[in-house]
Amino acid sequence: NAGVTQTPKFRILKIGQSMTLQCTQDMNHNYMYWYRQDPGMGLKLIYYSVGAGITDKGEVPNGYNVSRSTTEDFPLRLELAAPSQTSVYFCASREVGGLYEQYFGPGTRLTVT
Amino acid sequence: RKEVEQDPGPFNVPEGATVAFNCTYSNSASQSFFWYRQDCRKEPKLLMSVYSSGNEDGRFTAQLNRASQYISLLIRDSKLSDSATYLCVVTPRPVNYGGSQGNLIFGKGTKLSVKP
Repeated sequence: NAGVTQTPKFRILKIGQSMTLQCTQDMNHNYMYWYRQDPGMGLKLIYYSVGAGITDKGEVPNGYNVSRSTTEDFPLRLELAAPSQTSVYFCASREVGGLYEQYFGPGTRLTVT
Repeated sequence: RKEVEQDPGPFNVPEGATVAFNCTYSNSASQSFFWYRQDCRKEPKLLMSVYSSGNEDGRFTAQLNRASQYISLLIRDSKLSDSATYLCVVTPRPVNYGGSQGNLIFGKGTKLSVKP
């Protein structure tokens, strides 16, 4: 089992560029999440999904979009990148019910200059 | 008041020391509680869930006080490998019990450095 995988690991964007952060999980989890973590800060929820075709905003959704066409994939789209989006992005997933344990991917380090 | 607040740290302790981390949460209806561990430049991983009766996993003991909205983590006989940031995490109870059930609220974390 690969668990949760994310690509790319690192990326440098120029202001105004766009990109998609990829996230895939092979655990057949219904719930998936995108977080950002700024230096010295806790993780903040950007978007989440409770199943294919269903997404909802988290705490900090502005500047991002998501889609969930399959159970496995949950890409995060950045449109018109801004320096404030420089951060580490983590994707996570969990099964329905249970103890709410979330399994995280290794993260994508994004720098916008 | 922030939703989840932790000791700012960092905690620098010698090997073998006992160290305690504290955490408070603001939502009295919070439902589930966890400690996650995050190594430098890595993803968070679940260390242990926290139960009302308190629970222990080897050298780690977690306590919950719902009346005071307080969570603690005690590490005994600390090892070099315990060096990491410890995140206090809470699951809020949403008003509508909708899809956000199970969303995690993270504290900023407390950094622990265990020295030889």
